[in-house]
Amino acid sequence: QVQLVESGGGLVKPGGSLRLSCAASGFTFSDYYMTWVRQAPGKGLEWISYISSSGSTEFYADSVKGRFTISRDNAKNSLSLQMNSLRAEDTAVYYCARNDCSGLSCYTVDYWGQGTLVTVSS
Amino acid sequence: QTVVTQEPSFSVSPGGTVTLTCGLSSGSVSTSHYPSWFQQTPSHAPRTLISRTNRRSSGVPARFSGSIVGNRAALTITGVQAADESDYYCVLYMSSGIWVFGGGTRLAVV
Repeated sequence: QVQLVESGGGLVKPGGSLRLSCAASGFTFSDYYMTWVRQAPGKGLEWISYISSSGSTEFYADSVKGRFTISRDNAKNSLSLQMNSLRAEDTAVYYCARNDCSGLSCYTVDYWGQGTLVTVSS
Repeated sequence: QTVVTQEPSFSVSPGGTVTLTCGLSSGSVSTSHYPSWFQQTPSHAPRTLISRTNRRSSGVPARFSGSIVGNRAALTITGVQAADESDYYCVLYMSSGIWVFGGGTRLAVV
């Protein structure tokens, strides 16, 4: 079955950096787009980034553009999110998710990880 | 900046039917936005219910259905059960290549 396991969350000071990872299993990782979604405490979901199956195309929400970088290693079935210049408002649970893909087309997410908490505070 | 709108809250009686909607601050929702719906209970990861307007995800009961109603996407739940009390989120695909979530609807079953 599809499994997505995030890691790397924790406490970081404003202006600091953190790298999140997502280990994928149960499907052919290289066939799927992958996405990061976050949720601030008590707030709604926020889509922040996705990456194409080959890693050649990336999209970012304006709130993280220029600070966050998504990447993937298809040989290791791994997705990453490098977060720099972190701010208090980046405090959230970060979810790794697989995109719903059919043939060459990919759509929104179908499977979700359990999430990892990132806290930005001095 | 385009905002995706949802009802903040809704109440429904057990056994009843409820339709939650998802709209745009400017313009109409169409199948080209590939509207999708997610269910989330407190302290849990979201669960995908519906993708591409009306495709039920694996394991999702048939009483959950998606559609376009007027200029909005809609999630209809029939035969509502107590376990359906959750937050429901929609997401829309924008022509710029990004996805935008709605603010969510808190469904109470009372």
